[in-house]
Amino acid sequence: EVQLVESGGALVRRGGSLRLSCAASGFTFINAWMSWVRQAPGKGLEWVGRIKGKIDGGTTDYAAPVKGRFTISRDDSKNTLFLQLNSLKTEDTAVYYCARVGLVPRTTLSFLDYWGQGALVTVSS
Amino acid sequence: DIQMTQSPSSLSASVGDRVTITCRASQSISNYLNWYQQKPGKAPKVLIYAASSLQSGVPSRFSGSGSGTDFTLTISSLQPEDFATYYCQQTYSTPPEPTFGGGTKVEIK
Repeated sequence: EVQLVESGGALVRRGGSLRLSCAASGFTFINAWMSWVRQAPGKGLEWVGRIKGKIDGGTTDYAAPVKGRFTISRDDSKNTLFLQLNSLKTEDTAVYYCARVGLVPRTTLSFLDYWGQGALVTVSS
Repeated sequence: DIQMTQSPSSLSASVGDRVTITCRASQSISNYLNWYQQKPGKAPKVLIYAASSLQSGVPSRFSGSGSGTDFTLTISSLQPEDFATYYCQQTYSTPPEPTFGGGTKVEIK
């Protein structure tokens, strides 16, 4: 059974930093593409970024609002995904979900097929 | 940036109703369109990927259609467990910045 469990959510001051973790199990993590998606209180979903699997180079991409402030990384030996959040702003307050990227074979189509339960990050002013 | 516009933003329906939600992209995205369901306090769950492919384990009353800029999610006969918020998502953009629609909340009439 695929499981994704986030941890590390907290209350942090504006300008501060935080690292979220996502422990993965039930699938071959090393080659999996993984994403972070966030949801501000009472709002819709916002893609944060993704990291490709080792076999595809492990490269990262980010949404414009977080580029240069957030960093996605992974420890394949521990089946764990990370999101480092720096220079936090009040508008970064949200539940942060990690999700596995499902890839449709022989195409460039993708979707988010498994999600964690989310970790709440609150940035105070 | 590719903008995704869902309509309506909310609707009221009864059990057994046929429900249709639309999603429009600001430019052509071929079939790079996914649909998710989210219940309060829970993570989203994928229903449809590639515009019309039903994710494994999802009931067949859910279906998706469309290509280019206009897409629909249809629930053929609304069930009590289907009251939730539904989001579309495009994955066409390069460099990747998959964007979600604003959501459609389906409520009990």
